[in-house]
Amino acid sequence: RKEVEQDPGPFNVPEGATVAFNCTYSNSASQSFFWYRQDCRKEPKLLMSVYSSGNEDGRFTAQLNRASQYISLLIRDSKLSDSATYLCVVRATGRRALTFGSGTRLQVQP
Amino acid sequence: DAGVIQSPRHEVTEMGQEVTLRCKPISGHNSLFWYRQTMMRGLELLIYFNNNVPIDDSGMPEDRFSAKMPNASFSTLKIQPSEPRDSAVYFCASSPRRSGLISPSTDTQYFGPGTRLTVL
Repeated sequence: RKEVEQDPGPFNVPEGATVAFNCTYSNSASQSFFWYRQDCRKEPKLLMSVYSSGNEDGRFTAQLNRASQYISLLIRDSKLSDSATYLCVVRATGRRALTFGSGTRLQVQP
Repeated sequence: DAGVIQSPRHEVTEMGQEVTLRCKPISGHNSLFWYRQTMMRGLELLIYFNNNVPIDDSGMPEDRFSAKMPNASFSTLKIQPSEPRDSAVYFCASSPRRSGLISPSTDTQYFGPGTRLTVL
């Protein structure tokens, strides 16, 4: 079983739609959680950290459910520029390195 | 502020040749990571350094791969000899975390643009 699992998609949604991605992680000792965004043929970039209480950044909302070991990302009012692959990332206690999911591809269509 | 710098951006080489990838982390960052990304396996951690010291190299595929960090501003990943299955995008990332300080902001890794390696 992979340490971080994501639905690869693609999610094809119209502009203005709301879309949600989920991610599950297997290591209960995971301590830090992130969503990264990767555009085609580019490097991953931090989208947002995920805090226990949930957090929002503009149109983006991230939630963490430690009991069920999953993380979610909600994108409201999708823009064409949101088209990218979204990577779920976790760091386990005692480990310095991050573990990346394989990503969920989003395609926002006009 | 300069981000993580990698060179070369593209490398095409023939099987058996030595390949050296270079990385300059963000100034002041004390952790450096080398990743490899392929369609089949996604983003995999190869090795990471903390304060120039290799901490975990369990992701290095085999003895053909080696990495060094001679100082805080430079790291290399070498493949010798290279094989076609090494073809991938190699990313370097750095992180500002200081020892003992744990927070999402200091856990964040900043990636370089990557080196796209093709081994023929």
